[in-house]
Amino acid sequence: DAMVIQNPRYQVTQFGKPVTLSCSQTLNHNVMYWYQQKSSQAPKLLFHYYDKDFNNEADTPDNFQSRRPNTSFCFLDIRSPGLGDAAMYLCATSRDQVPGYEQYFGPGTRLTVT
Amino acid sequence: SQQGEEDPQALSIQEGENATMNCSYKTSINNLQWYRQNSGRGLVHLILIRSNEREKHSGRLRVTLDTSKKSSSLLITASRAADTASYFCATAPSGVTGNQFYFGTGTSLTVIP
Repeated sequence: DAMVIQNPRYQVTQFGKPVTLSCSQTLNHNVMYWYQQKSSQAPKLLFHYYDKDFNNEADTPDNFQSRRPNTSFCFLDIRSPGLGDAAMYLCATSRDQVPGYEQYFGPGTRLTVT
Repeated sequence: SQQGEEDPQALSIQEGENATMNCSYKTSINNLQWYRQNSGRGLVHLILIRSNEREKHSGRLRVTLDTSKKSSSLLITASRAADTASYFCATAPSGVTGNQFYFGTGTSLTVIP
């Protein structure tokens, strides 16, 4: 089945140690998104790619970076994780950037920072 | 912040009853969507309503939109235990490219068998 896949599902990292989260999609969608969701809170959009064009949300910390080497893959890099970065990270895709398309979400990666 | 607000924060009902949750937002929108999230999982799209629509139905779901009040409601009729989840509204602001959404704070629904 076509889907959005996130690996790993659970990630533990140490304070200050860089970590990379991975997302892949078989939907061939043009747009990929990264969200941060802390416990019992709404998903918060960090950034998105339309094809190779990167779009950062104004309040996304510089500690968070992203790469999209091809249509199928997108990575979230956290350069120096702090305790406050512990959260569920959700990847989503959308067929196009024109408003009106639904987003398809992966199952998420739960990040723990020790 | 473009985040919307939802109420109630939590709702507990008996199986078979209807559940209504409300969403208020701050900016003009192109469309509004509702998503469901089961505990610790990703979100699943339920329904989309465009800014020029007032009501939409999908199965047991009914969504209304009042752009003058900047609010929307989601009604789930004849609820089932499997409807237990968190429900989020997501707004797509007008004039923004990228099909970005901004999620509301969510309503946690518990349906008691």
